Amino acid sequence: EPEVTQTPSHQVTQMGQEVILRCVPISNHLYFYWYRQILGQKVEFLVSFYNNEISEKSEIFDDQFSVERPDGSNFTLKIRSTKLEDSAMYFCASSRGQSGNTIYFGEGSWLTVV
Amino acid sequence: KQEVTQIPAALSVPEGENLVLNCSFTDSAIYNLQWFRQDPGKGLTSLLLIQSSQREQTSGRLNASLDKSSGRSTLYIAASQPGDSATYLCAAYRGSGGGADGLTFGKGTHLIIQP
Repeated sequence: EPEVTQTPSHQVTQMGQEVILRCVPISNHLYFYWYRQILGQKVEFLVSFYNNEISEKSEIFDDQFSVERPDGSNFTLKIRSTKLEDSAMYFCASSRGQSGNTIYFGEGSWLTVV
Repeated sequence: KQEVTQIPAALSVPEGENLVLNCSFTDSAIYNLQWFRQDPGKGLTSLLLIQSSQREQTSGRLNASLDKSSGRSTLYIAASQPGDSATYLCAAYRGSGGGADGLTFGKGTHLIIQP
């Protein structure tokens, strides 16, 4: 069964550094998402991406964050100048369409900022 | 702003019991509602998706219902098994048009099925 794959599974970074989290969405899906889950808290929506541009973003997704689809398969989340509070599990997800379609999640990338 | 609440936060039952997990949402203008399963340290596995026009969906031993007017959804698990132990999340999707949406998640119900 097709799945969303994410790398790395775990990354430790120094505060102030930039990190890039990578995702390969399901191949025939058109909508891509990033969510995050801080330990012990709810899963939160960050951004959705369609047709090579941001479709929607939450108030969490400020100028520190950016997304890109550099080629036909990868979808990346870049976090600049990481802060301690950016430590979280970051989930990539994809869906075939936007409304009425199941959203499929990857296994997550656990980011620890020290 | 949509708020999703799940009750109970934790539940422990003996194997074989039927059980109900509850989810409530404050904004009934949802497009669909999705139930997920999350194992410790793992991603989210989609279980069921209910469109706003539907009342329920079934998959195997799982049945999810949706009552938009009351802002509630339930996940019914029949004949529970130890392998069902996980955190169950519900998430509401408002749909496009009206600012930042995406799925709004509840905090989940941590379920333990005792062998």
